[in-house]
Amino acid sequence: DGGITQSPKYLFRKEGQNVTLSCEQNLNHDAMYWYRQDPGQGLRLIYYSQIVNDFQKGDIAEGYSVSREKKESFPLTVTSAQKNPTAFYLCASSRQGQPQHFGDGTRLSIL
Amino acid sequence: EDQVTQSPEALRLQEGESSSLNCSYTVSGLRGLFWYRQDPGKGPEFLFTLYSAGEEKEKERLKATLTKKESFLHITAPKPEDSATYLCAVQAGGTYKYIFGTGTRLKVLA
Repeated sequence: DGGITQSPKYLFRKEGQNVTLSCEQNLNHDAMYWYRQDPGQGLRLIYYSQIVNDFQKGDIAEGYSVSREKKESFPLTVTSAQKNPTAFYLCASSRQGQPQHFGDGTRLSIL
Repeated sequence: EDQVTQSPEALRLQEGESSSLNCSYTVSGLRGLFWYRQDPGKGPEFLFTLYSAGEEKEKERLKATLTKKESFLHITAPKPEDSATYLCAVQAGGTYKYIFGTGTRLKVLA
């Protein structure tokens, strides 16, 4: 079955540590996205990529980094510069003008 | 600036009590409006896409409609399993970005 796989489901970060969230899709979609969701808030865009080897900052990119070396993969690194990383992170993919498909998210917490 | 506003923030219904959720939007050249359902701890699940004013889509107890300024998600005779957060998003022409509303948390009581 085609879909988006996010891993891990739960992740804990220590102070000063960088952590990487995985996102893989087998839908052959060109565009991929990372969102952050906080309680009671909507989805806020962190980064998006329209094509391999290219990506753009979203509304809240500070403290995050991404890469897009393969069409299927769009990992997100939460760096130590992100001072409030505790949130639910969602990855999505789509074709232009079509609905996004979402993974089941990674919940990041601080130790 | 492109913007999406959903109302109400939260809604409690008795089983069988029909109602509507609202999604108001301002966008430069609407490419598409999308409705999603999100259960706790899960990613959003796609429900409907609407592309032009006057369009309607229906699935089981849900019906989505679109005007030039807003969309409604009508829920007819809801059941407890319809309890979830419903999200609305728009995509403007010429961009790959999607703008999301903050959602409506629906609780249907048995």
